[in-house]
Amino acid sequence: SAVISQKPSRDICQRGTSLTIQCQVDSQVTMMFWYRQQPGQSLTLIATANQGSEATYESGFVIDKFPISRPNLTFSTLTVSNMSPEDSSIYLCTFLSGDRGFNEQFFGPGTRLTVL
Amino acid sequence: GNSVTQMEGPVTLSEEAFLTINCTYTATGYPSLFWYVQYPGEGLQLLLKATKADDKGSNKGFEATYRKETTSFHLEKGSVQVSDSAVYFCALMRRSQGNLIFGKGTKLSVKP
Repeated sequence: SAVISQKPSRDICQRGTSLTIQCQVDSQVTMMFWYRQQPGQSLTLIATANQGSEATYESGFVIDKFPISRPNLTFSTLTVSNMSPEDSSIYLCTFLSGDRGFNEQFFGPGTRLTVL
Repeated sequence: GNSVTQMEGPVTLSEEAFLTINCTYTATGYPSLFWYVQYPGEGLQLLLKATKADDKGSNKGFEATYRKETTSFHLEKGSVQVSDSAVYFCALMRRSQGNLIFGKGTKLSVKP
């Protein structure tokens, strides 16, 4: 099965700055997603990263705050813009595998972000 | 809308005890159902899944059966170990959308 990696694995950032998180899959995948896991909480979908078009955002998440790129079928980035301490979370990318009949999602290791 | 409700923790058990973590869902159509596990300090791992009614997913001694009539997918293990201490998330996926909807998670602590 495909392998998924994220960079950076963790970062500590200052309020008001932006961080771009990269997600790389070692084979072409159709659907990629970005989730957020706030401390002690469950996972919440931020957006679906669409190849060649704008991402589809969930309620409560907007493009200006979380711009996403998906230039090809193996790569996506999520930017957390104008950060505040409330953005401290683990950010995870996932993909939906066609190898398993589109019935399984594989998570990257996540990016642990702390905003001071 | 689609949602997942799982029993709140934390759950504390002694080693070799029987484990049940309840999970119920609300969804239109026929979602796929999953249990994910997150060990302390680690990422999210798929534990087991079921894609249609009456399917039983199993892995590492854990089992869950997709019950359409009760819209449930309860996680069970006959004899837990200290190494099973983790947070367990129930989730559903509508095939037409592809994204996962998670429950709030249940923290399990197993004492020796």
